[in-house]
Amino acid sequence: EVQLVESGGDLLQPGRSLTLSCTGSGYTFGDYAVSWFRQAPGKGLEWVGFIRSNTYGATTAYAASVEGRFTISRDDSTSVAYLQMNALRTEDTAVYYCCRVWEVNWIFTSFDPWGQGTLVTVSS
Amino acid sequence: DIQMTQSPSSLSASVGDRVTITCRASQAINNYLAWFQQKPGKAPKSLIYGASSLNSGVPSKFSGSGSGTDFTLTISRLQPEDFATYYCQQYKTYPWTFGQGTKVEIK
Repeated sequence: EVQLVESGGDLLQPGRSLTLSCTGSGYTFGDYAVSWFRQAPGKGLEWVGFIRSNTYGATTAYAASVEGRFTISRDDSTSVAYLQMNALRTEDTAVYYCCRVWEVNWIFTSFDPWGQGTLVTVSS
Repeated sequence: DIQMTQSPSSLSASVGDRVTITCRASQAINNYLAWFQQKPGKAPKSLIYGASSLNSGVPSKFSGSGSGTDFTLTISRLQPEDFATYYCQQYKTYPWTFGQGTKVEIK
């Protein structure tokens, strides 16, 4: 079974840092891109960023709201993608999801599956 | 940024009904559109990518169409497990953006 599992969510104060992990299983992790999304309490979905597979240079892209504060990386040897979050703000409070993304010829296709999510709460 | 607008924001329907949700992009996105289903307290589930391609395991009662700026998600013969919130998402350009969601409720 193809599965993604997020971990690392926590309650922390504004300005602190946190790293989330996304562990994939049931497929060749390195063949796929990984995207991170988030959902604030009672709100809709928001894209955070992604990292391409090494086939496409493991390049990254980020939403403007997190650019410069968040960094996505991957370790294909352990099938884990990371979301490093610095200078956290109260508005970063959300459930964070990772998602497997298939890319063909630099074109993204399916966004499946999603992990179960991990809650990050930023509060003083 | 490309704005995605879904309509309606919510709808009430009965089991067995045919339901159509529309999604409009503020600029052309070719067919770089995905649809997701989310139930309360659960992670989103991918239904459709490329505007009309069903993800593996998604029942054929779900269908998507459209290209350019106007897209639809249709659920034929609504079943109890289909009551959820549905989101469209464009991935033509960064930032990837979502519609505000359409909540499908039981009439």
